[in-house]
Amino acid sequence: DQQVKQNSPSLSVQEGRISILNCDYTNSMFDYFLWYKKYPAEGPTFLISISSIKDKNEDGRFTVFLNKSAKHLSLHIVPSQPGDSAVYFCAASSQGGSEKLVFGKGTKLTVNP
Amino acid sequence: DTAVSQTPKYLVTQMGNDKSIKCEQNLGHDTMYWYKQDSKKFLKIMFSYNNKELIINETVPNRFSPKSPDKAHLNLHINSLELGDSAVYFCAAGRGDHQPQHFGDGTRLSIL
Repeated sequence: DQQVKQNSPSLSVQEGRISILNCDYTNSMFDYFLWYKKYPAEGPTFLISISSIKDKNEDGRFTVFLNKSAKHLSLHIVPSQPGDSAVYFCAASSQGGSEKLVFGKGTKLTVNP
Repeated sequence: DTAVSQTPKYLVTQMGNDKSIKCEQNLGHDTMYWYKQDSKKFLKIMFSYNNKELIINETVPNRFSPKSPDKAHLNLHINSLELGDSAVYFCAAGRGDHQPQHFGDGTRLSIL
């Protein structure tokens, strides 16, 4: 039972354009959401997070949007750079869930020069 | 200076053997975790320890036993290895309270 879903296994964009990665969740108890970036043979690296009391969080070129009613979040990268090419994982946790992260399957982003 | 380090990075062994994976963090965080990434690329929680106390124990065969000698270390011992144990195992450390977890680079375990 996938509680966090990333329905696009891959995404390809041109350098300088916007990358939009999507994530859906089913568990209404989730109240903290994170995006991680992962390069091959490395561990996931924390990128940005958002609490359920917010609907937007921005950090430089990265913005995460949360739509609680739709149980949907997205990561926007503007402008996209070739170094952004990686697998992006969406993750969620709930208060009282002992900070257990539930991950999506990941979306492989390729930014073409 | 690596925040979360795991050893070994690669582990190739035969079915039936016992092996351990070590994890150390220098972040000073109270909570450490083990996650497993299987062949379908799902990252799933296995265990977590807070200040040497077991907090999370997901549905994991009891052949897997975590050991936390102190707050900075969480090791994973696996008995009687099976083919299905082949995966990448990630250690992570976090402060809890809805703060990000920081991951090691993983240990790729291959069972022959």
